[in-house]
Amino acid sequence: GQNIDQPTEMTATEGAIVQINCTYQTSGFNGLFWYQQHAGEAPTFLSYNVLDGLEEKGRFSSFLSRSKGYSYLLLKELQMKDSASYLCAVRDGDYKLSFGAGTTVTVRA
Amino acid sequence: IAGITQAPTSQILAAGRRMTLRCTQDMRHNAMYWYRQDLGLGLRLIHYSNTAGTTGKGEVPDGYSVSRANTDDFPLTLASAVPSQTSVYFCASSDGTSTEQFFGPGTRLTVL
Repeated sequence: GQNIDQPTEMTATEGAIVQINCTYQTSGFNGLFWYQQHAGEAPTFLSYNVLDGLEEKGRFSSFLSRSKGYSYLLLKELQMKDSASYLCAVRDGDYKLSFGAGTTVTVRA
Repeated sequence: IAGITQAPTSQILAAGRRMTLRCTQDMRHNAMYWYRQDLGLGLRLIHYSNTAGTTGKGEVPDGYSVSRANTDDFPLTLASAVPSQTSVYFCASSDGTSTEQFFGPGTRLTVL
């Protein structure tokens, strides 16, 4: 099974940087995903890491260390529209995802 | 149809009633999934199907059943609904080798 931990809530100011950490313990690993979910909406894909290192995609970056069971999602130049929940998910060898409970990010003006 | 659709959008159901949540995708994805999302618990996998004709149990399968008669449709049935099945249900699909799952808009189910 999978045990995935991430902070419940984070607050940051518009224009700032926020880092959301995710730690996991798994019985099998085939990639780590980050999803964004606005209130009342479906999750949408943000990033995917399967090898160690940093993946950058515009204002969003994601990092993975498989040996440490650790990932983070970095949100830069925060905008009000970035207020959402961010879900860390680990994929096992059968292509099934296990999700963390999500981190609610609130961006303040 | 574009992507994944779910029906109904929301439903209030009396305990003990039977209910089927519908999910249809037009991306020809092999794999489909049903999740429930509860406050503080995140998304939990109920059932999945890696390809048409096959299904498997996820983390919380009790009280639910699924079928996968063709590639596009993956209905979720609650045979006899109970209040603990009050949740938001998301259907998702992937092509099995792609890097992401695509989610439907969700069904908000309340069991009284």
